Amino acid sequence: GAGVSQSPSNKVTEKGKDVELRCDPISGHTALYWYRQSLGQGLEFLIYFQGNSAPDKSGLPSDRFSAERTGGSVSTLTIQRTQQEDSAVYLCASSSNRDSYEQYFGPGTRLTVT
Amino acid sequence: GNSVTQMEGPVTLSEEAFLTINCTYTATGYPSLFWYVQYPGEGLQLLLKATKADDKGSNKGFEATYRKETTSFHLEKGSVQVSDSAVYFCALSALSGNTPLVFGKGTRLSVIA
Repeated sequence: GAGVSQSPSNKVTEKGKDVELRCDPISGHTALYWYRQSLGQGLEFLIYFQGNSAPDKSGLPSDRFSAERTGGSVSTLTIQRTQQEDSAVYLCASSSNRDSYEQYFGPGTRLTVT
Repeated sequence: GNSVTQMEGPVTLSEEAFLTINCTYTATGYPSLFWYVQYPGEGLQLLLKATKADDKGSNKGFEATYRKETTSFHLEKGSVQVSDSAVYFCALSALSGNTPLVFGKGTRLSVIA
């Protein structure tokens, strides 16, 4: 079946602009995660959605970052007023008890802030 | 808080050499432990996992044993191949079920023929 997809694959934006990154999880997966992969910082958890529960936002680095998940499926990560330190690869993953909770990762969106 | 520490890379080995990538963790309770691999140009994928103490995870010739007494989950392979060249991430999940992963910083492995 289809895996996790993300769009765009690459995004270049100017400092100060807002960006939206999209994630389509595996159909039927109840949990969706956003992570950030940057040089020197490794992989950092950002935010996590589980079913209809309130999201766990504990990993968001600032209030410029937000995410929503519509209809329990597609998710959008929004970064407002981008800064150069936001440059990273943003990874989305989804999981389900059907797959022993294994997290399946998308290919990521490479964000470059100039 | 929960954390994972893995050996700094890069690691360069000749084909058929023995591989060890060290990983230690700090966590409350009984976490599940994972190794993920990221091949060049590809997404992150699960390599192996262990969910309780003394469990051994294995896949593609790689092994790792969950050692609670040393809070470690070292990755080993007896004979590496060029195709094993990738970045390897150790990770933990503090709770069972759908919970976020805490990752180490990754170790880049290059295997030369």
